[in-house]
Amino acid sequence: DTGVSQNPRHKITKRGQNVTFRCDPISEHNRLYWYRQTLGQGPEFLTYFQNEAQLEKSRLLSDRFSAERPKGSFSTLEIQRTEQGDSAMYLCASSLGAGEWGEQFFGPGTRLTVL
Amino acid sequence: AQKVTQAQTEISVVEKEDVTLDCVYETRDTTYYLFWYKQPPSGELVFLIRRNSFDEQNEISGRYSWNFQKSTSSFNFTITASQVVDSAVYFCALSEAGGGTSYGKLTFGQGTILTVHP
Repeated sequence: DTGVSQNPRHKITKRGQNVTFRCDPISEHNRLYWYRQTLGQGPEFLTYFQNEAQLEKSRLLSDRFSAERPKGSFSTLEIQRTEQGDSAMYLCASSLGAGEWGEQFFGPGTRLTVL
Repeated sequence: AQKVTQAQTEISVVEKEDVTLDCVYETRDTTYYLFWYKQPPSGELVFLIRRNSFDEQNEISGRYSWNFQKSTSSFNFTITASQVVDSAVYFCALSEAGGGTSYGKLTFGQGTILTVHP
């Protein structure tokens, strides 16, 4: 296992379309995080899972966003009825735990462009 | 609420110069973790260091060193004898350790763009 992978790497879509991103964490990691990064800013937390349970969602995550992590393995992030303001890099990270085991390993990200 | 401030938006140095990246944080927690990540032009965030709030001992790793001062809520990062390959965006981040549902999520600063010229 070479690290966190994300697919697709790039997605261009038209406003109003739905998009889905996938994240495959490091296999033994039970925590999985989604962040969003816009140009010139640091990543912002969206949501995270411990195993298959979604434990927290940021207020940035509107009703158009939904995330799942079936069986505690890979995760998907879906955005419905995309808007131009959704254009950003979507980053996934995984960790073995939190605190002293909280080192988060990041994937390469999915860059979303909404036209 | 947690907050991380990296006041330096961009820094430009010539190779072999030393450079310090500043990070100031705010948190109400007594137990927390501080991180530095590097984001090279390829875009993938690379973990550099984690520090817990009870360990104020400074750390050195090769050309990198970190100075954690709880009294000033700062966690600064110094690169000694900078190299062109150090050019990247550097992020400081903070996570809570209170055991609640927010346990583990990272709050990032805005980042500092470091450019090292040959």
